[in-house]
Amino acid sequence: QKEVEQNSGPLSVPEGAIASLNCTYSDRGSQSFFWYRQYSGKSPELIMFIYSNGDKEDGRFTAQLNKASQYVSLLIRDSQPSDSATYLCAVILGNEKLTFGTGTRLTIIP
Amino acid sequence: DAGVIQSPRHEVTEMGQEVTLRCKPISGHDYLFWYRQTMMRGLELLIYFNNNVPIDDSGMPEDRFSAKMPNASFSTLKIQPSEPRDSAVYFCASSLGGLAADTQYFGPGTRLTVL
Repeated sequence: QKEVEQNSGPLSVPEGAIASLNCTYSDRGSQSFFWYRQYSGKSPELIMFIYSNGDKEDGRFTAQLNKASQYVSLLIRDSQPSDSATYLCAVILGNEKLTFGTGTRLTIIP
Repeated sequence: DAGVIQSPRHEVTEMGQEVTLRCKPISGHDYLFWYRQTMMRGLELLIYFNNNVPIDDSGMPEDRFSAKMPNASFSTLKIQPSEPRDSAVYFCASSLGGLAADTQYFGPGTRLTVL
């Protein structure tokens, strides 16, 4: 089992709909969770981080963390074509190693 | 601020050659990170520095890889000798705080091709 897993996609979502991206992790001792956005050919950009169970909202983005079930998700409301990118989930595991998933490619269809 | 600066942006070399990648972090940032990204393995943290001191190099794949940070404004990642499997995009990032404390800002990356 990989330490951080994401569905590679591609995930296609109509413009204006909610895009839901999921990430699971194997280490129950993990404390910090991040979502990065990476446009094709560009560098990653941090869009959300979350430490506590529950939801964290920032504009159209909501991160949801469930430590009991060991998953973290990212919801993008009112999806725009500019949201089309690869989304990387990153976790600081219990051994303090920052580990990334391989990313989910999201396409917003106009 | 110009952001994190990396050079070269593209490097093509032959197997067995030495490769040196360079990074200038954002001024005032105390942490510097080196990453490698491939299709197969995704984004991997290789090593990171705090105030020019290496903190965790457990991600460095093997002895052929080495990284230095001689001062607060410059770091290098060296591969000697290079192999085709080292072909990847190498990113440098910097931040004010550590892994969980602050946002990391990534440079544009160096695309390395080893023939």
